[in-house]
Amino acid sequence: DAKTTQPNSMESNEEEPVHLPCNHSTISGTDYIHWYRQLPSQGPEYVIHGLTSNVNNRMASLAIAEDRKSSTLILHRATLRDAAVYYCILSQSNTGNQFYFGTGTSLTVIP
Amino acid sequence: DTGVSQNPRHKITKRGQNVTFRCDPISEHNRLYWYRQTLGQGPEFLTYFQNEAQLEKSRLLSDRFSAERPKGSFSTLEIQRTEQGDSAMYLCASSLAQQETQYFGPGTRLLVL
Repeated sequence: DAKTTQPNSMESNEEEPVHLPCNHSTISGTDYIHWYRQLPSQGPEYVIHGLTSNVNNRMASLAIAEDRKSSTLILHRATLRDAAVYYCILSQSNTGNQFYFGTGTSLTVIP
Repeated sequence: DTGVSQNPRHKITKRGQNVTFRCDPISEHNRLYWYRQTLGQGPEFLTYFQNEAQLEKSRLLSDRFSAERPKGSFSTLEIQRTEQGDSAMYLCASSLAQQETQYFGPGTRLLVL
C-alpha cells in the first residue's frame, strides 16, 4: 500500500496562504499524487492531483518536489470554508487506481 | 445533481442483522469503489469494480461482506451478521477507467447496536 505522511493538524489565519506538506518517500514512477478534503459527515471532495509537474486549478496549487518524494498543497487565501481534513493520497494508475488514505491534516482557519 | 448518490444515508441495526447499501455512480463511470471510514481515520479501500467485474478485494473485506455490480451501473454492499466493529461510514466513489480522479458520494453511516 502506498503511504503518505502528513502533520495531524495545522492552523491558518483567514485570507492568508496555507501550505500543507506531505511526504511520500516510497512513491513509484507511476504513482499519481492526489489531494482531497473532507468535511464532517461528508464524502471526500477532490482538490487537485498531479504526476510530476506542478499543477494549478481554481481551488489550489500543487507543488511536487523534483524527486517526487514530497509535495505541498497550497491554498492561496484561506477562507473559513477551507477548514477541513486534507488527505494526501498516492494511487497507481496502471492497476486499479484505488486510493490508500492516511489520517490527513486537520486544517483550522482562524477568523 | 448528477454526482454519486448513496442510500440510505444512515442505518441503525442490531448486531447479527444483515444490511445492504446502494451506490449509484456518476453516469458512464465504469469504475466503482467502496471504502470504509471509522471515526478519526482516513477511508480504507474495500473493493472496486470495472464495469460488472469485481477486480480487487481488500483483506479488510471479510467473508461477511459481499459487493455486487450486476449490470455495471449501480452497486450494492451487503454485510451479513453485523458486528459492532462494522459501525463506520461506508463510502462509494466512481471514476472513468482512463482518468485518475475519483468522485465520492456522501456515504452511508452504519451504527450496529
